[in-house]
Amino acid sequence: NAGVTQTPKFQVLKTGQSMTLQCAQDMNHEYMSWYRQDPGMGLRLIHYSVGAGITDQGEVPNGYNVSRSTTEDFPLRLLSAAPSQTSVYFCASSYRRGGTKLFFGSGTQLSVL
Amino acid sequence: AQRVTQPEKLLSVFKGAPVELKCNYSYSGSPELFWYVQYSRQRLQLLLRHISRESIKGFTADLNKGETSFHLKKPFAQEEDSAMYYCAGETSGSRLTFGEGTQLTVNP
Repeated sequence: NAGVTQTPKFQVLKTGQSMTLQCAQDMNHEYMSWYRQDPGMGLRLIHYSVGAGITDQGEVPNGYNVSRSTTEDFPLRLLSAAPSQTSVYFCASSYRRGGTKLFFGSGTQLSVL
Repeated sequence: AQRVTQPEKLLSVFKGAPVELKCNYSYSGSPELFWYVQYSRQRLQLLLRHISRESIKGFTADLNKGETSFHLKKPFAQEEDSAMYYCAGETSGSRLTFGEGTQLTVNP
């Protein structure tokens, strides 16, 4: 059972480039989310989705887009990468929003030069 | 604003010593609180949640509404407890908010 799968594990971008971080889960979870992890700031929610076709903004959504065309996939798009987006990104899913255990992916370490 | 605060970025103890990782919250309603842990080279995972009132790997956490705290405790720390610990909270209808994290090091 794969759980939550994130790709790539590492990525280096130049300022202004765009890219998509992939996230897939095979647990039929309704809720999926993206966090960024920065030293001293904990995990901050970027975007989340409570089901296919439904997305909403989290705490730090600027510079990122998401879509949820299927239950399984929740890609995160960086439109025009900036050095401030250098971070570790985690995708997480749960059976439903609220009150339940979050399952995390292994993370993507992104550097923007 | 609803938030969770972990005042210690770093905590170092010796093996066998008691350990307490502090977590304070500010929520207007009745929050649900969690501790998540990230061991080296492993995924972030749920350690425990307050409504379960359970002990996982010897850790316990009690919700203190008077002090608005949810500190994580273990009477005898082990080297394998070294990890990053995150406190997180939410209320009905709100999104899960994580604290800043505490890096625990248990020295031999």
